[in-house]
Amino acid sequence: AQTVTQSQPEMSVQEAETVTLSCTYDTSENNYYLFWYKQPPSRQMILVIRQEAYKQQNATENRFSVNFQKAAKSFSLKISDSQLGDTAMYFCAFKKQASNYQLIWGAGTKLIIKP
Amino acid sequence: DTEVTQTPKHLVMGMTNKKSLKCEQHMGHRAMYWYKQKAKKPPELMFVYSYEKLSINESVPSRFSPECPNSSLLNLHLHALQPEDSALYLCASSQDAGLKAFFGQGTRLTVV
Repeated sequence: AQTVTQSQPEMSVQEAETVTLSCTYDTSENNYYLFWYKQPPSRQMILVIRQEAYKQQNATENRFSVNFQKAAKSFSLKISDSQLGDTAMYFCAFKKQASNYQLIWGAGTKLIIKP
Repeated sequence: DTEVTQTPKHLVMGMTNKKSLKCEQHMGHRAMYWYKQKAKKPPELMFVYSYEKLSINESVPSRFSPECPNSSLLNLHLHALQPEDSALYLCASSQDAGLKAFFGQGTRLTVV
């Protein structure tokens, strides 16, 4: 069975700083997908970034980038130049390639950006 | 239009009431999902509809009854709920295998 672990229940940084959220996972699959989702106080879950396991290059979306270490089963999210609007719960999630619909979620990290 | 719209945003219901949650999307997605989310926890998958057919039921109690009237609409009918069913109910949709799921803002349900 797959598991996803987020070891940081809560983090806080000053606006404009860089912050890294950690995520580790366990799987025997070779092909899979990893995701970071953001859930702000508005409650809507928003996809931040996605990584395909077969790709060696780390995914980047503007200020958001990942450090994907397949051998170590690690998938951390780096937020550069953090903004007040980045305050949210961040969930790491795993999806087997063979499974069409089911995501395995981490417990989440609450990120607070301070002005 | 990249929105998933859920109504109502808030709902308070008694244990003997019958109510329904509604979800709508116009992105042409053929997979639609219901999740239950407790405070400070990740979402838990309840149901998945694929091409308007129930594809996954994660052993959800029968007091929750999903319905997919057409490819744009997803309902969740509620009957005889318990206080522990109080939670945020999220609807999502995706195109087929769902590498990008779009979520609604949820319905905050309180059972009294």
